[in-house]
Amino acid sequence: EPEVTQTPSHQVTQMGQEVILRCVPISNHLYFYWYRQILGQKVEFLVSFYNNEISEKSEIFDDQFSVERPDGSNFTLKIRSTKLEDSAMYFCASSNRGRSYEQYFGPGTRLTVT
Amino acid sequence: AQKITQTQPGMFVQEKEAVTLDCTYDTSDQSYGLFWYKQPSSGEMIFLIYQGSYDEQNATEGRYSLNFQKARKSANLVISASQLGDSAMYFCAMRDLGRNNFNKFYFGSGTKLNVKP
Repeated sequence: EPEVTQTPSHQVTQMGQEVILRCVPISNHLYFYWYRQILGQKVEFLVSFYNNEISEKSEIFDDQFSVERPDGSNFTLKIRSTKLEDSAMYFCASSNRGRSYEQYFGPGTRLTVT
Repeated sequence: AQKITQTQPGMFVQEKEAVTLDCTYDTSDQSYGLFWYKQPSSGEMIFLIYQGSYDEQNATEGRYSLNFQKARKSANLVISASQLGDSAMYFCAMRDLGRNNFNKFYFGSGTKLNVKP
């Protein structure tokens, strides 16, 4: 069964450093998303991406964040200058056209900013 | 503003019994989708069930059913015959199918379900 994959599973970085989180969505999916979940808290929408551009973003997704689909298979989230409060689990998800637009989530990348 | 409310931070249920997890939502849109996801302690998000706002019948997927009451804006998840493996965090979510916020999902704060043997 096809699945969304994410690398790395855990990333530790120092405050102020840039990080790139990688995702490989399901191959025939058209819509891609990033979410974050601070430990013990709810899942928060960051951004959705369709047709090579951002279709929606939340207020969390400020100028420090960017997304890219560099090669038709990967979908990346870049945080330019990490802050302590960026420490969270980051989930990538993808979906296809269909009645439910059901999203398939990746296993997540745990980002720890020290 | 759209909002999902899950009022039960934690629930206990005896194995083999049924349990209802509450979810209410707030939207002014006529067209939307409602989802439930399960998050076990391992952290992954697992899709459980979907209900469209125009669906006339309540959605069912195996032991999961969604008690959709549109006038009350509630979309409660019912798990029948609970199993120990059902112990997890459960999130209710909504997707707006209208023109604005077309591709944005809103999640509730979650309910932690513990199934007792």
